[in-house]
Amino acid sequence: KNQVEQSPQSLIILEGKNCTLQCNYTVSPFSNLRWYKQDTGRGPVSLTIMTFSENTKSNGRYTATLDADTKQSSLHITASQLSDSASYICVVSVPLNFGNEKLTFGTGTRLTIIP
Amino acid sequence: DGGITQSPKYLFRKEGQNVTLSCEQNLNHDAMYWYRQDPGQGLRLIYYSQIVNDFQKGDIAEGYSVSREKKESFPLTVTSAQKNPTAFYLCASSIQNRRNQPQHFGDGTRLSIL
Repeated sequence: KNQVEQSPQSLIILEGKNCTLQCNYTVSPFSNLRWYKQDTGRGPVSLTIMTFSENTKSNGRYTATLDADTKQSSLHITASQLSDSASYICVVSVPLNFGNEKLTFGTGTRLTIIP
Repeated sequence: DGGITQSPKYLFRKEGQNVTLSCEQNLNHDAMYWYRQDPGQGLRLIYYSQIVNDFQKGDIAEGYSVSREKKESFPLTVTSAQKNPTAFYLCASSIQNRRNQPQHFGDGTRLSIL
């Protein structure tokens, strides 16, 4: 069982609408949680990184929330644009020695924005 | 512009052949990583390197090899021992010994079997 579960697997919304993507994790111990955006055929691009002490973090129209007690995170996209069509990947980090960390990746939510 | 360059974008492998994927970065990052991405699965770590001339196996290292002779370069060789090499391969880099820093990714190489 994947230690980082994302839902829904795919989502289609109209341009201009808002949406929320979910991420539940069981990875422990926890260092930080990241959201990445991956366009088709491209590498992932970092949107946000949150440590356990942060509840919310914004990057333009993207707002991520984190509840470290329930081990849940969400990514909210406001006023969606056609360019938001992509896969959104939730990543949880486990601390290792010497300041390093190991990343566990979710399988992603495929978001499609239609005009 | 600083970034990570992966080449080629598409690569085809014949049976019994080794192929090498290139990854170059000009971000002055010490740490570099190779991931494999398959449909319906999360990225999985193949190898990583924290410093020149040193590298460590990740979760799925069998059938792969790497070298780190220069800070900027971290090539991945997919050997004939890797029986299911068809996948999207991603290279990444990050600041060493610093948590809560993003990993920067290249745009990947798609490897297919002829």
